[in-house]
This record gives sequence, C-alpha cells and structure tokens, in this order.
Amino acid sequence: SYVLTQPPSVSVAPGQAATITCGGNNIGSKSVHWYQQKPGQAPVLVVYDDSDRPAGIPERLSGSNSGNTATLTISRVEAGDEADYYCQVWDSSRDHVVFGGGTKLTVL
Amino acid sequence: QVQLQESGPGLVKPSETLSLTCTVSGDSISNSNYYWGWIRQSPGKGLEWIGSMFYSGSTYYNPSLKSRVTISVDMSKNQFSLKLSSVTAGDTAVYYCAGNFWSAYSNNWFDPWGQGTMVTVSS
Repeated sequence: SYVLTQPPSVSVAPGQAATITCGGNNIGSKSVHWYQQKPGQAPVLVVYDDSDRPAGIPERLSGSNSGNTATLTISRVEAGDEADYYCQVWDSSRDHVVFGGGTKLTVL
Repeated sequence: QVQLQESGPGLVKPSETLSLTCTVSGDSISNSNYYWGWIRQSPGKGLEWIGSMFYSGSTYYNPSLKSRVTISVDMSKNQFSLKLSSVTAGDTAVYYCAGNFWSAYSNNWFDPWGQGTMVTVSS
C-alpha cells in the first residue's frame, strides 16, 4: 500500500520559517492535502491540491509538491502555529485515503 | 456553512458493534460534490481513515477495516452513520465525521470536520 512519511517533530523559533515534509513514492504525481490539528481539537484543512488554501487560512502557510516530496511551509512562525500537521493523498491504485503519520511542530 | 456533529455511545463492550451518527447542517447530504467520511484517532496516535460514502450509495472503505465497517446515509434526516462490528480495545479512539470533497480525477480531501467523539471499548 502507499505510504506517506513525515518527520515526527519539527522545531522552529518564532518569526522563522518551518518546513514540514511528506515523502511518498512519486508523490509529485498525486494531489496532496494538509491538515492542522491543535491539542484537543479536530483537524482543519489548511492546504489542498498541493498549494491552494481554503478561505481564512493565512498566506503564511503554503504548499508545494514535486518528485518524492511534498512540503508544507509556514513562514514567520507564531506561537499559535504550534500543532500537529498531517498530509493526505488518495491512493488510486487501491481506492483509499492515506494519511501521513503526522508532524508535531514546536515553536521554541 | 456546513457543520457536522457526531453522536453516539461513548462506551462500547468488546465484541459488540460501535454505532455513531453524524448530523449535517448547512447543506444537503445529497450535495453532488461530497462524499461523507469517517476518520478515527487512537489516543496519542495519528489519523486513520475508516471510509467514505456518497449519498447514492457508492462507498470506499479502508481495506484494513472493510470486513467490519458499514457506512450508510439517511437523506431524510440529513445524517450518515458508521457501524463497526466486533470491536476490541484497539478500536478505542476519537471518531470524526467529515465532508469528503471530491474534485477531478478522484482527488479528494476532508473539509469540514465534526468536533469528534471519544469512544472507549471496555467491559
């Protein structure tokens, strides 16, 4: 089955940029979606179709996807960005949804 | 705006069937852009997709759970439901319902999500 690999944790100082990766075999051929989950809350879609943002999501959050790696970049990180982030794709070979294992973003 | 709310028992005995309902407000469950999905999250773990259903009956299930899962839609109540049979302690999790938006070429994502409901499997 298709596997998405994320680093368990990423740490960044306030005001710096955070990069969260999502690795998968030829993931660049798929559309990748990203979710933010703060403690005790439901996940929220923050990027869809590799790089589009839903209404209300700040421009500081951006996505890209190429080759074997998709990336969520959060520029000018704020304390409020501290959360778990998950990537997600549709595995068309098996007709099912795949989530990455999640990355905990810590703001130092 | 579309809102979803899960409901159902918070405690289920081992070997029994877990049953949850998700009520959709702000849009019709027969919206042609949406499947309706269930996702769960075991304590301290990541997200696991359970399955998704279109109002007309088309379904997709996680292969690892497929033998135990049934998702159904009740258009008269604008609700969809999850049944997971033969539960064990390993099924203890927060269960989320979500709108599963489908665009071109089977590309799909989850938005919005319900707040989630904790289900514990224990005797």
